[in-house]
Amino acid sequence: DSGVTQTPKHLITATGQRVTLRCSPRSGDLSVYWYQQSLDQGLQFLIQYYNGEERAKGNILERFSAQQFPDLHSELNLSSLELGDSALYFCASSTGLAGFYEQYFGPGTRLTVT
Amino acid sequence: TQLLEQSPQFLSIQEGENLTVYCNSSSVFSSLQWYRQEPGEGPVLLVTVVTGGEVKKLKRLTFQFGDARKDSSLHITAAQPGDTGLYLCAGELWVVYGGSQGNLIFGKGTKLSVKP
Repeated sequence: DSGVTQTPKHLITATGQRVTLRCSPRSGDLSVYWYQQSLDQGLQFLIQYYNGEERAKGNILERFSAQQFPDLHSELNLSSLELGDSALYFCASSTGLAGFYEQYFGPGTRLTVT
Repeated sequence: TQLLEQSPQFLSIQEGENLTVYCNSSSVFSSLQWYRQEPGEGPVLLVTVVTGGEVKKLKRLTFQFGDARKDSSLHITAAQPGDTGLYLCAGELWVVYGGSQGNLIFGKGTKLSVKP
C-alpha cells in the first residue's frame, strides 16, 4: 500500500460525458502528479500540482483539467469524453518538487468510455 | 519517438535464469527510477538512482545508472516466478535553468514472465 488513494477504482461512461477522478496523496506529500496509461502509449505524464499550484503540464488535452485543494487532495476532470480516453489514470505523490523526492503511485482509476 | 527506450519489450525465462533489462535515451536525466507494475495496479517504486555510474542492489536486483546519466540497466539474478511483472524505467529530465519539476518520462516497459 503506497498510501495514495484514488477513487473510483472503475468508471464506465458514455462518449460526450464528463467525469471526475479523485486522488488523496500520502500524508505530508505536497506534490501530486496525474498520469494516463494506455496500451499503445504507455504511462504519460499529464499534469503536476505542488501545494495547490499548477507546476508542470505534460500531454494533457484541453478537455481535461485538474486542481489541488487546500487539503492537498486533487481532482482530474475529463470532459467531452471520447473512446480514445479509455485508459488507466494514475495519481502519484511526492514530498517535494524534484525527481529524487520519490513518487508513490495510487492504485489507479480504470476509465472505460463506451 | 520514445524518449526512453526499454529493451527487450517482452522476456520469458525459466526460474533460476539471469536477465538484464535496458533503458536507453539520448537525453540526460537528473534521476532515474525503476518501477514494477502488476496488472491493474499502480507502479511500485523499486529504486532511484541519481549519480552517474551509481550501482544499487536490492536483494537479487542490481540497478546501474550510466556514467553520462543517459541510460540504466536492471539485472536480476536467479529469477523467480514472483519477479513476474512489468518493469518500467522513468527519468526526470535534466533542466539547466529553472530546476527540475519532478514529472517523469516513462519507458514503455519490459514485460517479464518467469516460469517455474
